[in-house]
Amino acid sequence: NAGVTQTPKFQVLKTGQSMTLQCAQDMNHEYMSWYRQDPGMGLRLIHYSVGAGITDQGEVPNGYNVSRSTTEDFPLRLLSAAPSQTSVYFCASSDWDRGNSPLHFGNGTRLTVT
Amino acid sequence: DAKTTQPPSMDCAEGRAANLPCNHSTISGNEYVYWYRQIHSQGPQYIIHGLKNNETNEMASLIITEDRKSSTLILPHATLRDTAVYYCIVNKKNAGNMLTFGGGTRLMVKP
Repeated sequence: NAGVTQTPKFQVLKTGQSMTLQCAQDMNHEYMSWYRQDPGMGLRLIHYSVGAGITDQGEVPNGYNVSRSTTEDFPLRLLSAAPSQTSVYFCASSDWDRGNSPLHFGNGTRLTVT
Repeated sequence: DAKTTQPPSMDCAEGRAANLPCNHSTISGNEYVYWYRQIHSQGPQYIIHGLKNNETNEMASLIITEDRKSSTLILPHATLRDTAVYYCIVNKKNAGNMLTFGGGTRLMVKP
């Protein structure tokens, strides 16, 4: 199984540009989430979803939109990129029905906004 | 969620056991202790979790004190590939895995 797949691996944007970070999982997990990680820091939760059609905000949601139209996909949209959004973005999924199941992470998208 | 406290860094000799401590003195009865690690900016990798009993799997052992206010992750025979940042996290069983990652412990395994 591929697990959690994130694309692209690297991206450079100019301030004001928009883009979508893709995340797909093939484990039929109901729960998916997006984190960002800044240099030397832990991960901060941006948005999460407990199933198709359901999304909610995490710790740092401003500047990001999400939607969940299918179980497999959970894209993260930056509508107008800012240099403060330069970071590494991780997508994760888990089996929601098993409340204590661990998160499975993708390998990240490294975004630079100039 | 309960907060955790971990030392920012630790060293361990290759082949020896690495014992990583974590304090979670405000943990509540329905919160699990999870351990993840992150190797060189890859995505975090799940290691082990437990509620109150000690746990062991192919990667590590987790020792939770009887009062559940602290725990220790044990890598029995550390290798150079175990060099990583290790995160200790507590989370409610039905909190949707909305884990909060702190700073973690940077473990350096040395030859």
